[in-house]
Amino acid sequence: KAGVTQTPRYLIKTRGQQVTLSCSPISGHRSVSWYQQTPGQGLQFLFEYFSETQRNKGNFPGRFSGRQFSNSRSEMNVSTLELGDSALYLCASSSSPHNAYEQYFGPGTRLTVT
Amino acid sequence: AQTVTQSQPEMSVQEAETVTLSCTYDTSESDYYLFWYKQPPSRQMILVIRQEAYKQQNATENRFSVNFQKAAKSFSLKISDSQLGDAAMYFCAYTGANSKLTFGKGITLSVRP
Repeated sequence: KAGVTQTPRYLIKTRGQQVTLSCSPISGHRSVSWYQQTPGQGLQFLFEYFSETQRNKGNFPGRFSGRQFSNSRSEMNVSTLELGDSALYLCASSSSPHNAYEQYFGPGTRLTVT
Repeated sequence: AQTVTQSQPEMSVQEAETVTLSCTYDTSESDYYLFWYKQPPSRQMILVIRQEAYKQQNATENRFSVNFQKAAKSFSLKISDSQLGDAAMYFCAYTGANSKLTFGKGITLSVRP
């Protein structure tokens, strides 16, 4: 079974631009969560999607948004990029929110904002 | 809100020796899971071991085992026969009813040959 895939793996953007990151979960998994990892703040939960609905949202500004498609693939979007948005963005999938104890992570997307 | 604390930022162990990584957590929930994740330089987050709160028996996975003290809210990871490939950042994490993972700050483990 293929693992969680994230595209692109690396991205360089300029302040003020917007960016879209993609996550394809493991086949059969319908829950996707997103996390931001920075040296200063560590790993922080962004949001979780299940069956195309956002179930949970972390404490991030409205510039961070996401969505999930009917095939369970998820995208997250960051608008009006700031230098502080430079981070590794990880997504994780599980078969359902009730099986959150079996979350599998993708390799991450490294976003650099200049 | 749940919190996870890893107070040691770095540890070092000699190859083939045993090392214990500490973690404490705080929660008011009775049903939850605790995890140790490994993140090597490749940045891929890998699940090392998982413990269900209602199970008294400590989880083990080959050279990895945990010491789960529910009353003390302590969850340490023991790595036996340390190998060079064990060098990585290790994160302790918690998940409960809301299914999101709450992570500690992580600890960098180095293995000396």
